[in-house]
Amino acid sequence: EVHLLESGGDWVQPGGSLRLSCAASGFIFSNCAMSWVRQAPGKGLEWVSTITDSGGSTSYADSVKGRFTISRDNSKNTLFLQMNSLRAEDTAIYYCARYSNLDSWGQGTLVTVSS
Amino acid sequence: DVVMTQFPLSLPVTLGQPASISCRSSQSLVHSDGNTYLNWFQQRPGQSPRRLIYKVSNRDSGVPDRFSGSGSGTDFTLKISRVEAEDVGVYYCMQATHWPRTFGQGTKLEIK
Repeated sequence: EVHLLESGGDWVQPGGSLRLSCAASGFIFSNCAMSWVRQAPGKGLEWVSTITDSGGSTSYADSVKGRFTISRDNSKNTLFLQMNSLRAEDTAIYYCARYSNLDSWGQGTLVTVSS
Repeated sequence: DVVMTQFPLSLPVTLGQPASISCRSSQSLVHSDGNTYLNWFQQRPGQSPRRLIYKVSNRDSGVPDRFSGSGSGTDFTLKISRVEAEDVGVYYCMQATHWPRTFGQGTKLEIK
């Protein structure tokens, strides 16, 4: 069974940084592209970023391009999202999901950006 | 970017009755590989989203057969043949043909 467990969410001031992690199990992680999707409080879903299985290619939403970096460690079955220059509008639950087709999701981790 | 437009945004339904949600894309979702990557997700209150349907009409494992997807090109539909109490939540369409991936605004299904 696919299992994705996000961690690293926290409260941070505007301009600050945070690194999210997603621990994967139940499938061959190194064979799968992985994605981050976020949901602001009371709002809809927004795709954030996707990384290929090898980590050789990445894609980002315009809203985070240049500030967020997706990466992975296939030896540890872990996906990351480094978030810099955080803004109030980045406040959201961040979900990791398998593939860019999002067939399985984690439970999410909350990021709050506020002064 | 491909804009995904869902309607209705609010859907009150009587238990046991059918329900239908429409999703329209601003451009064709037919990929160069011939597939159409249109997915439907369900998000129950307080839960993570769950994929129900992929490539327009394929149900994910464990999804009841009362859920069905149809459509082509730019117009797609999610149908629930007989709504049950556990179907309450928000439904999203999402296209995975073009970058960036984009979602519809969501349709909130509630029981009348």
